[in-house]
Amino acid sequence: EVQLVESGGDLVQPGGSLRLSCAASGFTLSNYWMHWVRRAPGKGLVWVSRINVDGSGTGYADSVKGRFTISRDNAKNTLYLQMNSLRAEDTAVYYCVREAVPGGLDPWGQGTLVTVSS
Amino acid sequence: QSALTQPPSASGSPGQSVTISCTGTSSDVGGYNYVSWYQQHPGKAPKLIIYEVSKRPSGVPDRFSGSKSGHTASLTVSGLQAEDEADYYCKSYAGSNNFVFGTGTEVTVL
Repeated sequence: EVQLVESGGDLVQPGGSLRLSCAASGFTLSNYWMHWVRRAPGKGLVWVSRINVDGSGTGYADSVKGRFTISRDNAKNTLYLQMNSLRAEDTAVYYCVREAVPGGLDPWGQGTLVTVSS
Repeated sequence: QSALTQPPSASGSPGQSVTISCTGTSSDVGGYNYVSWYQQHPGKAPKLIIYEVSKRPSGVPDRFSGSKSGHTASLTVSGLQAEDEADYYCKSYAGSNNFVFGTGTEVTVL
């Protein structure tokens, strides 16, 4: 079964840092582009970042550019999101997602909650 | 990277059809055929229901269909069923390794 399991979400103070991890199973991570997407409480889905198969190419939403870094370790079947200089508006459930088909994200993990608050 | 515009809500009776619009610009929806749609039930992870404007992943009922005209993409749900009540989001490639989601539409089955 194809599965993505996020971890690392926590309560962190404004200005703090956090690293999210996403463990992939049931498929070969190195064959797929991967994304992070978030949903703030009461708000809609927001695309955060994408990384190509070998990690040499990345993209970021303007709202996180310069603060967040996406990376991957294909040998460990794991995707990461390093989040620095966190702000209250970064509070959200963060989803790790596989780009299964061109532009199509599937499956989605259950998400991990990041809360930025003092 | 402004969010694509969707109506906040849509509704229909069981068996009817509902169509959700997703309006962008020439830099996203109008410029690429990489529009996808997602269904999200409360407390659940989103699910891919349409990709590349009109293609359905395996297992998605053919009641769900997608199309695009100019800068606007559309999702139509035909033969509405109670389980179709959910939030729906469009997403488009926006060039330069960037993507953008729509504002989301809450579908209610009356």
